[in-house]
Amino acid sequence: NAGVTQTPKFRVLKTGQSMTLLCAQDMNHEYMYWYRQDPGMGLRLIHYSVGEGTTAKGEVPDGYNVSRLKKQNFLLGLESAAPSQTSVYFCATSSGSKADTQYFGPGTRLTVL
Amino acid sequence: AQSVSQHNHHVILSEAASLELGCNYSYGGTVNLFWYVQYPGQHLQLLLKYFSGDPLVKGIKGFEAEFIKSKFSFNLRKPSVQWSDTAEYFCAVNGDTNAGKSTFGDGTTLTVKP
Repeated sequence: NAGVTQTPKFRVLKTGQSMTLLCAQDMNHEYMYWYRQDPGMGLRLIHYSVGEGTTAKGEVPDGYNVSRLKKQNFLLGLESAAPSQTSVYFCATSSGSKADTQYFGPGTRLTVL
Repeated sequence: AQSVSQHNHHVILSEAASLELGCNYSYGGTVNLFWYVQYPGQHLQLLLKYFSGDPLVKGIKGFEAEFIKSKFSFNLRKPSVQWSDTAEYFCAVNGDTNAGKSTFGDGTTLTVKP
């Protein structure tokens, strides 16, 4: 039972390059989230999904796209990376109940040069 | 809209000192409140949460938090900290119309000196 996993753990991109971050969960949770964590700014929600085939914008969606083709996977894409997207990206899942705990992945540290 | 404010950005304590981290939220309806912890090099994990009932909530590792509705607060406390409590602490709120979508505070970094 791996919980929530993220691939890759580290990545360095040049400005303008694209990449996809993968989040996988084996918890059978409906809700999945992508956050970015920057020093002094806590976690900010990028996009989220309330179920397979659905996605919605969070607080800071610009420059990112997501897809949830399978319930267990949530992909975060950067089409044209910018230095402002240098951050640590966390995926999380929950059952969807408003009182439910979010379970986080280990994070992906992305540097855009 | 819901929001969370954590008052202390960085707290430094000696072992055995008492801890209180402030958290205030803004939301007009029923809320669920959480404290998450991120130990160095690890991912976030739940410390404790409040969703109903007794406003004094006890969590793991001796932490507790008290929900004071009149003050819109959910402060985290521990009577005696240990070096292993060194971590970043995040308060989060989830309002009753935002099912599954929490808003996190900016975090408080706690450093405990041995």
